[in-house]
Amino acid sequence: AQTVTQSQPEMSVQEAETVTLSCTYDTSESDYYLFWYKQPPSRQMILVIRQEAYKQQNATENRFSVNFQKAAKSFSLKISDSQLGDAAMYFCAYRSAGNAGNMLTFGGGTRLMVKP
Amino acid sequence: GAGVSQTPSNKVTEKGKYVELRCDPISGHTALYWYRQSLGQGPEFLIYFQGTGAADDSGLPNDRFFAVRPEGSVSTLKIQRTERGDSAVYLCASSLIRGVMETQYFGPGTRLLVL
Repeated sequence: AQTVTQSQPEMSVQEAETVTLSCTYDTSESDYYLFWYKQPPSRQMILVIRQEAYKQQNATENRFSVNFQKAAKSFSLKISDSQLGDAAMYFCAYRSAGNAGNMLTFGGGTRLMVKP
Repeated sequence: GAGVSQTPSNKVTEKGKYVELRCDPISGHTALYWYRQSLGQGPEFLIYFQGTGAADDSGLPNDRFFAVRPEGSVSTLKIQRTERGDSAVYLCASSLIRGVMETQYFGPGTRLLVL
């Protein structure tokens, strides 16, 4: 079974600064997908960014980028120019690319606080 | 509607009661998922529907939990003889295809409190 670990329960960043959230995972599969979801107090999970394991190039979406290290099984999220609206819980998630199922396996989350 | 909707938003019940939680997926999405998120934790998979059938129910914790999707659209998660440990946020997600770029879109969840 796959596991996802987020070792930082809480992180804090000054507005306009850069912050990196860590995520590691354990799998024996070679093909899979990784995601970062944001969960504000409204509870709705919002997709931030996704990465296919077969792609070496790191995904980027505006101020959000990832550092995907497949050999190390690491998938960190970098938020540049942090904004107050970025404050939320962030969850890293794994999904198998095979026939094992389409379920997402989530980490325990990191609470991001943004200081004005 | 434009997104996944879930009703009710909040549900308070007494131990031993029966509850039903409803999920309306994005129109046209064939896949539907239920997850449970306990306080301070990440969501955990419960069950996955492809069309009307449950393709994977390995995450259901016990036989008190059951889910249906009779017409391949709306789904209902049913919990019998509720226990205090069932208190959590129940999230529903839907997706269009199972494939390379499948993305699960989540609803706002139902917060269930069992007293």
